[in-house]
Amino acid sequence: DAKTTQPTSMDCAEGRAANLPCNHSTISGNEYVYWYRQIHSQGPQYIIHGLKNNETNEMASLIITEDRKSSTLILPHATLRDTAVYYCIVRVANQAGTALIFGKGTTLSVSS
Amino acid sequence: GAVVSQHPSWVICKSGTSVKIECRSLDFQATTMFWYRQFPKQSLMLMATSNEGSKATYEQGVEKDKFLINHASLTLSTLTVTSAHPEDSSFYICSARAPGGDGNTIYFGEGSWLTVV
Repeated sequence: DAKTTQPTSMDCAEGRAANLPCNHSTISGNEYVYWYRQIHSQGPQYIIHGLKNNETNEMASLIITEDRKSSTLILPHATLRDTAVYYCIVRVANQAGTALIFGKGTTLSVSS
Repeated sequence: GAVVSQHPSWVICKSGTSVKIECRSLDFQATTMFWYRQFPKQSLMLMATSNEGSKATYEQGVEKDKFLINHASLTLSTLTVTSAHPEDSSFYICSARAPGGDGNTIYFGEGSWLTVV
């Protein structure tokens, strides 16, 4: 699976949009981009995933560049509870036996 | 959404004993589940892939005789840490791929804290 590069940490003011970048320049055509977050002492929480098109759900939006070499996770109105480590992962689609491989992620700190 | 549940949430055991952690897919069947370990201030590390009805596939450096994995049904995988030692103290997490949608959503359990004393 392709590797990803994320900033180590980011800060965001409560109520503002949090934009978390991820570089995946070696992504293959059949690899999805996944985003998870982990709040201290809990299992990772699924946020969103996408292949080519931008995606939006109740938690966030995922913007994938046209060349698919980078993406941005957008939390439209960050709250204190969004403070967590955010992981961007790429994984081959439709392979049941392929695990998600975690990097170090981005620690997002939301402050009031 | 799909739910993956682990039990126990935390466990303390004596050095030299064995402890079993369960991972269940509550509302879907999972032919494959994954087990991870996470030490404090580190990222998740994949330990093994659990396959229903067959042997697990272990990552390099993970002792298969120490970390026994059984995936006897489509909704349950178990991880048994045998002859546990203090260095096995860690946060153990499982995950499973859920059906539906594009079939590529993977959910994680809440995690199980193991402390070996």
